[in-house]
Formats: sequence, C-alpha cells, structure tokens
Amino acid sequence: SYVLTQPPSVSVAPGQTARITCGLTNIGSKSVHWYQQKPGQAPLLVVYDDSDRPAGIPERFSGSKSGSTATLTISRVEAGDEADYYCQVWDNFSDHVIFGGGTKLTVL
Amino acid sequence: QVQLVESGGGVVQPGRSLRLSCAASGLTFRSYGMHWVRQAPGKGLEWVAFISNDASQKDYADSVRGRFTISRDNAKNTLSLEMNSLRTEDTAVYYCAKIRRTSGYYEDWGRGTLVIVSP
Repeated sequence: SYVLTQPPSVSVAPGQTARITCGLTNIGSKSVHWYQQKPGQAPLLVVYDDSDRPAGIPERFSGSKSGSTATLTISRVEAGDEADYYCQVWDNFSDHVIFGGGTKLTVL
Repeated sequence: QVQLVESGGGVVQPGRSLRLSCAASGLTFRSYGMHWVRQAPGKGLEWVAFISNDASQKDYADSVRGRFTISRDNAKNTLSLEMNSLRTEDTAVYYCAKIRRTSGYYEDWGRGTLVIVSP
C-alpha cells in the first residue's frame, strides 16, 4: 500500500522560503499533487504532476520530486500562505486516492 | 465554471442512515469520474469513494466499505452517497470532487457538507 508522510508543522518568517516534504512509500513513478487548505474552505490545488502549477497559482509555489521525497516549496512566504498543505497520489489501477497527513504552515 | 454543491448533511444518531447529494453544473457531468472525500474535525483529508463516469466502476475506502454506497444520476447531474450504519467516527465534512483522470488530481471541489454522528 501507499504511504505519504508529511511533517505535522513547518514554521517560516515572512519573506523566507518554506519547504514542505512528502515522504513516498511504494508509489513508484506516480505523480504527486499538492493542495492548500485554509480554515473553513475546501482544498485548493497548488501543484499537480509533481511540479506543474494550475492557472492562477503564484509562481512562488513550486514542486519537485527526487527519489522517495516530494517537496512543495513556497518562496517569499506571505501571511496569506498560512494554511494546511496536503500531498496526494492516485492509484490509477484501483482509482484509490491517498493523502498525506497534512502539514500546518505557520508564518511567524 | 464548474460548480459542485453538496447537501444532505446533518446530525444523526449512531446506527442510522443519511444520504448526501452533490449537484454538478458547468461541466459535462457524464464525462467525469467523481469522488467523495471527507475530513473529520481537526483532521486530515480522507478519500471515501469513487464512481466512474458511467457508474460501471465503484470502490470504497476500507473504513466505509459495506456501509456506504456511491451512485450517480447523469441525467440529473447528481452524485450521491448513501451512508448506512453510521458511526461516531464518520463525523466529518464530506466533499464531492472531480478528478482529472489522466493525472489523478482533484480539479474541482464542492464546499462540503457537515455530517455529525452523535448519540
């Protein structure tokens, strides 16, 4: 089975760079997607297919994957970036979806 | 513009049933597989169920298999989740979501509907 492991929390000062990791177990070459979720709101896709950015998402958000770790990088962090972030993969054989446990980003 | 609007949430006692609906607009509903995802209070996202565009394929998370049933009405652009034998641990916000089949990410989400299972 697939397991995605995220740190529970990451803290960063405004203007600095936040890196949120997603440890990948057994996912092979599957793509990793990232969502931002603010309190009381539905998740918002910020990165898909490891490193692509949907229209309307600032360039400050970027994704990468190396070996068994995917990383969401947020450059020049702003107060408005404070949110929970989730990584996600899809098993195209079973159509099951797996989420990481989520990381709370705190902007100091 | 795609809109997904969930309804049917509420407070229900353990062991009882509830039916959620998701009304879709702004898309060719019959072309897309659809999912239910839930989020318990203060917890992370949990995938619940999937249904293919033509309802020929369905699957469920182990935590709900045998108790929940996903269905759809393509003529009415509606997705449903029938929830039976509800447990307190089913308490959550339930989202319907449209998946990008080629890549497996959720392009669109509803705002969610809250289900509270409480004695």
